Amino acid sequence: AAGVIQSPRHLIKEKRETATLKCYPIPRHDTVYWYQQGPGQDPQFLISFYEKMQSDKGSIPDRFSAQQFSDYHSELNMSSLELGDSALYFCASSQPMGAHTEAFFGQGTRLTVV
Amino acid sequence: QKEVEQDPGPLSVPEGAIVSLNCTYSNSAFQYFMWYRQYSRKGPELLMYTYSSGNKEDGRFTAQVDKSSKYISLFIRDSQPSDSATYLCAMSVAGFQKLVFGTGTRLLVSP
Repeated sequence: AAGVIQSPRHLIKEKRETATLKCYPIPRHDTVYWYQQGPGQDPQFLISFYEKMQSDKGSIPDRFSAQQFSDYHSELNMSSLELGDSALYFCASSQPMGAHTEAFFGQGTRLTVV
Repeated sequence: QKEVEQDPGPLSVPEGAIVSLNCTYSNSAFQYFMWYRQYSRKGPELLMYTYSSGNKEDGRFTAQVDKSSKYISLFIRDSQPSDSATYLCAMSVAGFQKLVFGTGTRLLVSP
C-alpha cells in the first residue's frame, strides 16, 4: 500500500540558508500534518492543512511557512536556518477529518544545520 | 512542565516478558490516547488508540486509560526481540489532530 512520501530523506544546510521539505500524502488523503522531532525529544506539532487551507497551528517559528497544493502535497519552507532547527521532520496524512481518522506518518526528513 | 510525561528508559526485558509502558498527562481535555512504535530512523507507526477511558486489546497489546488519574498504559505480552523500539504515547483533544507526544520509552527485548 502507498505510504506518505517525504523528500528529501536527508538534508544538510548551513546556518542562515533556506530549506524546503516536501510531503506527498497517501492518495485520497486531504489532510496533512507537520511535526518536528529534535534529538532525543518528542515530536512537536507544527502545522496542519485540510483541503489546501491551514487548519491548525502549533509551535511553528515565524521563519517557517508551509502550504498545501492542489494535488494535496505539502511543502514546509524554512528560512534563516539555525543550529537548533536540526531535527527530524515528519509529515502525516489522513482522510477527511473525523474523530477516528488515523494519521499515517512518513519516514521523515532529517535536517542537519551546520 | 510538559503536558505528557513518559519515562525515556531504556527498559530492558528478556524475551517472553510482559512489558508495561506508561504515560501521565496534565490536560484533562485530552480525549484520544494513542500508542506509537518508532523504529530507528523510521516514522511513528500507530499501534493502538483509545477514546476516553477503558481498555482495548489487540493481539499481544493492551491499552488502558484511566482519565481520573490522568494515566495511560500499554502492556505487551510475550514480548519479542522484534518489539525492540521506542514507544511513544500521544494524545489529543480531537482525534488525530494536533497530537501531543510523550518523549518515548526505548524498549529492548533480548533473546
